[in-house]
Amino acid sequence: SQKIEQNSEALNIQEGKTATLTCNYTNYSPAYLQWYRQDPGRGPVFLLLIRENEKEKRKERLKVTFDTTLKQSLFHITASQPADSATYLCALAPGTYKYIFGTGTRLKVLA
Amino acid sequence: DGGITQSPKYLFRKEGQNVTLSCEQNLNHDAMYWYRQDPGQGLRLIYYSQIVNDFQKGDIAEGYSVSREKKESFPLTVTSAQKNPTAFYLCASSIALETEAFFGQGTRLTVV
Repeated sequence: SQKIEQNSEALNIQEGKTATLTCNYTNYSPAYLQWYRQDPGRGPVFLLLIRENEKEKRKERLKVTFDTTLKQSLFHITASQPADSATYLCALAPGTYKYIFGTGTRLKVLA
Repeated sequence: DGGITQSPKYLFRKEGQNVTLSCEQNLNHDAMYWYRQDPGQGLRLIYYSQIVNDFQKGDIAEGYSVSREKKESFPLTVTSAQKNPTAFYLCASSIALETEAFFGQGTRLTVV
């Protein structure tokens, strides 16, 4: 069956360090993959999109990689700040309008 | 300001009652979606619409209904047939394939 996995355990890191979050998928061939940030009680906010023919995408302190052989995307936040604390969701779009979301990983950046 | 608006933010419903959640967007997006979010389960797709007067069931459509009479509006009705309706409901829109989804602020529905 089709599946997206994100680490359900919270990730705690020290301020200034790089946070790395993982998104693994099985039985998909996604055309592209997206990352969203969600704060408690609010809707997700789009961060980055990476296409299947792209290995890496950057935006300010954010970096996303996409390995279609490993069926994995990594999401990095460099020089992390307490304001980066949130839940981060990955979403796949296998060439249709139906986005498929992972369960999210909660990140906490400690001051 | 362009955006997507959900109302109300909090909603309480008695068992056996239908209730309608509002979703309006002024982004001129063709596609709109409804998701349900439960703790530890991520977002699950209820219904989506690619164009006015057309919509498709998602993964958990049972007990829900929608309409898409206008491009800007995609209301969701939670019927009494939905056995466990207490959840956080999110509406989203997107302009096309390969573009990001814009989400509303959500409606938290509680059955009392």
